[in-house]
Amino acid sequence: ETGVTQTPRHLVMGMTNKKSLKCEQHLGHNAMYWYKQSAKKPLELMFVYSLEERVENNSVPSRFSPECPNSSHLFLHLHTLQPEDSALYLCASSHITGGGHSPLHFGNGTRLTVT
Amino acid sequence: DQQVKQNSPSLSVQEGRISILNCDYTNSMFDYFLWYKKYPAEGPTFLISISSIKDKNEDGRFTVFLNKSAKHLSLHIVPSQPGDSAVYFCAAQGGRGGSNYKLTFGKGTLLTVNP
Repeated sequence: ETGVTQTPRHLVMGMTNKKSLKCEQHLGHNAMYWYKQSAKKPLELMFVYSLEERVENNSVPSRFSPECPNSSHLFLHLHTLQPEDSALYLCASSHITGGGHSPLHFGNGTRLTVT
Repeated sequence: DQQVKQNSPSLSVQEGRISILNCDYTNSMFDYFLWYKKYPAEGPTFLISISSIKDKNEDGRFTVFLNKSAKHLSLHIVPSQPGDSAVYFCAAQGGRGGSNYKLTFGKGTLLTVNP
């Protein structure tokens, strides 16, 4: 079992569909993240959850709705997306401590295409 | 405004030679820097990191150098191997508010190691 697992790996959806991306981490971490990678752009942070509480929402449109039911699972609910939302969506986890730093561990991503 | 910049989109080196990947940053509050490697169809994998209190960190064939006064870091791979061919992302933590969990990424450099 890999550390961070994302499903599905590929998703094609129409603009009127509703779908969800799922992420699960098996590393015992206490923080989970959604990042977006578009062509020719750096990875962009979307949301951060620490101990199941959202601590960061990086000005993401409301058509993206995250959910973190526990420290091991993270969802990204999608509805009425636009074609420009087509991208690679990456989930990550890390262990946040009081003052230290720790690397993020990423899943393999969901390649989303909005038609 | 890009706070982490990788100005070379691609780099090609011969097997056995040294690969040098460069990264510049603008936010002087960053205090932890990381390099990630990404193969196609996979998520980024953590490679090596360095704290701002150090100027060098070494792990096997990989060495990261940090020049705080120049706001510049570099990743050296020696000797380079064909399996090192991947996209390399520079990332930084810290910043406004001292958030020690957010990662700000560069756009990446595609390294090709030729046999």
